[in-house]
Amino acid sequence: SQELEQSPQSLIVQEGKNLTINCTSSKTLYGLYWYKQKYGEGLIFLMMLQKGGEEKSHEKITAKLDEKKQQSSLHITASQPSHAGIYLCGADDPGYQKVTFGTGTKLQVIP
Amino acid sequence: DAGVIQSPRHEVTEMGQEVTLRCKPISGHDYLFWYRQTMMRGLELLIYFNNNVPIDDSGMPEDRFSAKMPNASFSTLKIQPSEPRDSAVYFCASAALGTEAFFGQGTRLTVV
Repeated sequence: SQELEQSPQSLIVQEGKNLTINCTSSKTLYGLYWYKQKYGEGLIFLMMLQKGGEEKSHEKITAKLDEKKQQSSLHITASQPSHAGIYLCGADDPGYQKVTFGTGTKLQVIP
Repeated sequence: DAGVIQSPRHEVTEMGQEVTLRCKPISGHDYLFWYRQTMMRGLELLIYFNNNVPIDDSGMPEDRFSAKMPNASFSTLKIQPSEPRDSAVYFCASAALGTEAFFGQGTRLTVV
C-alpha cells in the first residue's frame, strides 16, 4: 500500500512569513490531493496535481508535484492567521477510486 | 447542494453499546467513503462504496464494524459492541468519478 510522509509534523510561523510543507510518497503518485482541515471540522479540498512538474496556485497557496512524481510541496506566501489548520496530502490508489492520506502537518500562524 | 451531511455530530456512549453513524452524500456522487481519524493513526479509510456496492472494506478494523448503503442517498456505519478504542472522529465523504472527495463535518465518537 502507498505510504505518504509529511514534513514537518507541525509548524509555527509569524504572520507574513512564507512556509513550505512537503509530502513524500513511497510509490509513484498518479493523483495527489491537498486538503486543509480546521479543528473539529471536515476536510476542505485545496488542489489536485496529476502530471510531473505540475504547479497550481490558489490565492496565496501554491502546490507542486515533482518531475518524478514522488514528492509534492505546498507553499504559502505571506501567511495569515486564516491559514492555520492541519494540511493533509492524499494520493490516489491507481485503478481504484480511493485516497490514502498522509500524517498531516499542523500549522499555527502567530499574529 | 448542502454538501455531505453526517449525523450525529457528537456521540457519547458506554462500552458495549451499539453505535450507528449516518451519512447523506452529495446528490449525483457515485462514490462514498468512510474514514476514521485519530491522533495516533491519522486519517484511515475504512470502507468505500461505488453505486451503493461495497468495493473495498479492507480498512474495517474488525467484525464489530459494519457499513451499509441501502440507496444512493444514505449510508450507515455501525459499531456493535463499541469499545473505548473506537473513540475517534468518523468522516464520510463522497465523490464523482475522477474528481476530488467532499467531506462531511464528521462525527466525534467517545466510548466510555
